[in-house]
Amino acid sequence: NAGVTQTPKFQVLKTGQSMTLQCAQDMNHEYMSWYRQDPGMGLRLIHYSVGAGITDQGEVPNGYNVSRSTTEDFPLRLLSAAPSQTSVYFCASMRLSSSYEQYFGPGTRLTVT
Amino acid sequence: GDSVTQMEGPVTLSEEAFLTINCTYTATGYPSLFWYVQYPGEGLQLLLKATKADDKGSNKGFEATYRKETTSFHLEKGSVQVSDSAVYFCALFNAGGTSYGKLTFGQGTILTVHP
Repeated sequence: NAGVTQTPKFQVLKTGQSMTLQCAQDMNHEYMSWYRQDPGMGLRLIHYSVGAGITDQGEVPNGYNVSRSTTEDFPLRLLSAAPSQTSVYFCASMRLSSSYEQYFGPGTRLTVT
Repeated sequence: GDSVTQMEGPVTLSEEAFLTINCTYTATGYPSLFWYVQYPGEGLQLLLKATKADDKGSNKGFEATYRKETTSFHLEKGSVQVSDSAVYFCALFNAGGTSYGKLTFGQGTILTVHP
């Protein structure tokens, strides 16, 4: 199993540009989520999904969109990038019947200039 | 809301020294508690967990005990190695929270172990 994979690893955007961060998992986990990691702040939840076709907002959803058309994929879209979105983004997945153990991808480092 | 507070870092130790990283939490109900480790350039890996009071999680020589009376989940290791150098995150999951599956993280503690 590849686990949770994310692409790209690094990305530089100009303010106002759009892009999609990709996340995929091959463990057949129902639950997937996106976090952002900022220095001194730990990780904060952006959006999550408990299954295909179902998404919901986390604690910092503004400026981000998600969709979940398949169990495997959970892309994160930035519609109009802002410097405040400079961060490291992590995708995670979890089996709903587990003891809440989440598996994280390697991350995408995004810089918005 | 829920919150997790970790000891300020960075922590610098010599090889074979004893490690403690303090973690305290605030949450309603009975959260599950976790320690995650992030090695340089990598994502987070689950290190250990405890799901109820007085449970002890352990893995790779690391241990942490869920203390409800002190709302703490301190990470300990008796003899650290250079390969333990990483960032350590304490986190909680509260099934009664507003966002299902949300992990609430502490700010992370950077550990550097010198030979």
